[in-house]
Amino acid sequence: QKEVEQNSGPLSVPEGAIASLNCTYSDRGSQSFFWYRQYSGKSPELIMFIYSNGDKEDGRFTAQLNKASQYVSLLIRDSQPSDSATYLCAVKGNGGFKTIFGAGTRLFVKA
Amino acid sequence: DAGITQSPRHKVTETGTPVTLRCHQTENHRYMYWYRQDPGHGLRLIHYSYGVKDTDKGEVSDGYSVSRSKTEDFLLTLESATSSQTSVYFCAISDLAGGIYGYTFGSGTRLTVV
Repeated sequence: QKEVEQNSGPLSVPEGAIASLNCTYSDRGSQSFFWYRQYSGKSPELIMFIYSNGDKEDGRFTAQLNKASQYVSLLIRDSQPSDSATYLCAVKGNGGFKTIFGAGTRLFVKA
Repeated sequence: DAGITQSPRHKVTETGTPVTLRCHQTENHRYMYWYRQDPGHGLRLIHYSYGVKDTDKGEVSDGYSVSRSKTEDFLLTLESATSSQTSVYFCAISDLAGGIYGYTFGSGTRLTVV
């Protein structure tokens, strides 16, 4: 079992819809959770981070964390074609320098 | 990528040759990291640095060495390049230990070993 798992996709949604991206992790001691966006041929860019159970909203993005079920999700409201990218989930344990990245989910937003 | 640059952007090298990749930052961040990205594997940590001359191994450090003689520069050396080291290499920086608020990544170096 991979430490951080994501569905590779592609996830295809129409423009204006809600895109839901999911991630599960294996280390129950994980403390910090991140979503990065990566356009093809570009570097990852931090979108959001979350530490506490529940929801965290930033503009059209909402991160959701459920530590008991060991999953974190990213919702993108009013999806735009410019949101088409690979979304990387990353999880950091308590202390140390180890941040584990998932392999990413490709999102395609159809105009 | 504000404040962090990688060089070269692309490189083709032959098996068995040494290769050095450079990461330069202007953010004065204490922590610097080297990752490689391969299809199906996500980003994997090679080495990291928590200060000048302070470095440690990540999960895929075999065949790689690093050096940090100045805050702004972090060098990654492939001692004798192999085809399995063909990859995209990203440098990242953070101002807090372990990137607890996340990383800023450089634009990457695409390395091909033939």
